Amino acid sequence: AQTVTQSQPEMSVQEAETVTLSCTYDTSESDYYLFWYKQPPSRQMILVIRQEAYKQQNATENRFSVNFQKAAKSFSLKISDSQLGDAAMYFCAYRSRAGTGNTPLVFGKGTRLSVIA
Amino acid sequence: DGGITQSPKYLFRKEGQNVTLSCEQNLNHDAMYWYRQDPGQGLRLIYYSQIVNDFQKGDIAEGYSVSREKKESFPLTVTSAQKNPTAFYLCASSRPGQGAYGQYFGPGTRLTVT
Repeated sequence: AQTVTQSQPEMSVQEAETVTLSCTYDTSESDYYLFWYKQPPSRQMILVIRQEAYKQQNATENRFSVNFQKAAKSFSLKISDSQLGDAAMYFCAYRSRAGTGNTPLVFGKGTRLSVIA
Repeated sequence: DGGITQSPKYLFRKEGQNVTLSCEQNLNHDAMYWYRQDPGQGLRLIYYSQIVNDFQKGDIAEGYSVSREKKESFPLTVTSAQKNPTAFYLCASSRPGQGAYGQYFGPGTRLTVT
């Protein structure tokens, strides 16, 4: 079974600064997807960024980027120019690519990010 | 607009009562999922269904039951056998062949059992 570990329960960052959230995972599969989800106080889950394991290039979405190290099974999220609206719970998630790809997500326990004005 | 609806947003029940949480989607997605969220625990899978009339247990299925009679609907029943039912419940859906897009989530239902 796959597992996802987020070792930082809480992080804080100054507004306009950069912060990196860590995520490691364990799997015996070679093909899979990785995601970062954001959960603001409204508790609505929002997809921030995704990475396909067969792609070596790190994904980037505006101020959000990842550092995907497949051999090390590491998938960190970097948030640049942090904004007050980035304050939220962030979850790292793994998805097997087996079958139709309609497999459940495996989540880490989350990192609560605070942004200091 | 397409999306997932969960109702109600807040639900209160007395201990010993069964309660059913609603999840409806109009995204034409085949697969639907139920997750439970507790503080410090992340999201844990309760049940999922990849097609109508079929579903599989997740990691914490004990004390829960589901049905999938229609593509659009995947209700979750929290039975009196669930020892700690108070939690935040999230429903999600996804489409075959679009695994790279993750899952779409509903707004969640906060269940409080006293």
